[in-house]
Amino acid sequence: NAGVMQNPRHLVRRRGQEARLRCSPMKGHSHVYWYRQLPEEGLKFMVYLQKENIIDESGMPKERFSAEFPKEGPSILRIQQVVRGDSAAYFCASSPQHSNTEAFFGQGTRLTVV
Amino acid sequence: TQLLEQSPQFLSIQEGENLTVYCNSSSVFSSLQWYRQEPGEGPVLLVTVVTGGEVKKLKRLTFQFGDARKDSSLHITAAQPGDTGLYLCAGDPSGAGSYQLTFGKGTKLSVIP
Repeated sequence: NAGVMQNPRHLVRRRGQEARLRCSPMKGHSHVYWYRQLPEEGLKFMVYLQKENIIDESGMPKERFSAEFPKEGPSILRIQQVVRGDSAAYFCASSPQHSNTEAFFGQGTRLTVV
Repeated sequence: TQLLEQSPQFLSIQEGENLTVYCNSSSVFSSLQWYRQEPGEGPVLLVTVVTGGEVKKLKRLTFQFGDARKDSSLHITAAQPGDTGLYLCAGDPSGAGSYQLTFGKGTKLSVIP
C-alpha cells in the first residue's frame, strides 16, 4: 500500500550540473503533478502529465526544465545546468484520474544547489 | 499578489488552547482543500470543502467554507503538540476543474507542551 514515492529525498548538485528527480505514483494512478516549494513560499504548480503525455506545463520554466512520464517507469523531472535559484523542495502528486480533490503528495525531493 | 491569503502566518500556543486560522481570497473557489505539512514531508490532505457554508469536522478540527466560497477557516479545539505543522489551504479559482491547485503560503503552528 505504498504512497507516492519520490527519490532521492535529498539531492545536492553543483551549479551547472543536471538534477533528475523521480516520482512513482500510487498504484493505479495515471496522473502526475509536479509542484515546487521555495523557502517561505507556497507550493507552485509546474506541470501535469498523464502516461506518455504532457498535458500542461504552463508552470514550468521554459528553459532548462523538462518532465516526462513514460509508459513504464516513474515520472522524471529534469533540471539541466542548475543554478542556486533552483534550490527548493519539489513535490509530486498523483491521482487516479484528473482531479484536484483527490491528489496525494509524495514526501518531496529537496534540491540544494551549491 | 497572493490569490489565497492565510493568516496568521505564525502561531504559537500552549497545549490545550483553541485556535482558528484563516484562508481568504477575493476569488470564488469551486472547492477548497486543507493540508498539513510537517517539516521534511509532503502535504497531507485533511479535508475538502465544496459547498458554500459547509462545515466539516475531523476529530478536534472543524473546517468551514464561507457562504460565498471565497474564504475558509480551520478551528482546532484543545490543541496538542501533535497538531504542530504548516497548515496550507489550496483550491482551484477557475472552477473549471483545473488541476492547477493554487496554494496559500500557510500558517505555521507550534503547540507547546
